Amino acid sequence: SSELTQNPAVSVTLGQTVTITCQGDRLRSYHASWYQQKPGQAPLLVIHAKTNRPSGIPDRFSGSTSGYTASLTITGAQAEDEADYYCVSRDSSGNHLFGGGTKLTVL
Amino acid sequence: QVTLRESGPALVKPTQTLTLTCTFSGFSLSISGMCVTWIRQSPGKALEWLARIDWDGEEHYNIFLKSRLTISKDTSRNQVVLTMTNMDPDDTATYYCAQLVVPSYTFDYWGQGILVTVSS
Repeated sequence: SSELTQNPAVSVTLGQTVTITCQGDRLRSYHASWYQQKPGQAPLLVIHAKTNRPSGIPDRFSGSTSGYTASLTITGAQAEDEADYYCVSRDSSGNHLFGGGTKLTVL
Repeated sequence: QVTLRESGPALVKPTQTLTLTCTFSGFSLSISGMCVTWIRQSPGKALEWLARIDWDGEEHYNIFLKSRLTISKDTSRNQVVLTMTNMDPDDTATYYCAQLVVPSYTFDYWGQGILVTVSS
């Protein structure tokens, strides 16, 4: 599939670990990056180039890729991690594609 | 410090053409590897990539919207302009511009976004 598929919603208990996944054919060839978006705000890059974390992003955020699936893991989720999370990748033509987004609820 | 700011009309009528300007600072689009991209988000919906322009002038478009979009740059003014023709109420969205750097291909910096409503 040319799409990037994400679960629409995921929940996690405060302090526990949660993994958000993104599936798509293009992930076999191109890395995914991950963005966090809180209500009323622009998205924020949290993971790039498959596993790298920009400066200022807590180390509880990590990324991985296996085959057609990219994953964003939050180890020890905090209340402030409640947000929408989007994966995005590209193709050989320079076009980009976002996943449908995952709404993370921290209980 | 990299900043981007979107400007344009808040309201357009159906069938009109939308013109949005992204004014940026902290980098130059004349430098190899620098790109500016447009992304939109309809209310309550997912992010949607629209277009990208690269330092060398190469343009990239969402294949589903390509016929309606044009992206251009004015390097001397640090601006990127996006036009979208034949606007429809379904195009109501917050439009963001963002910086992208090759080879990371990540949207490192974003503008605050501009809400454009399409209504008669």
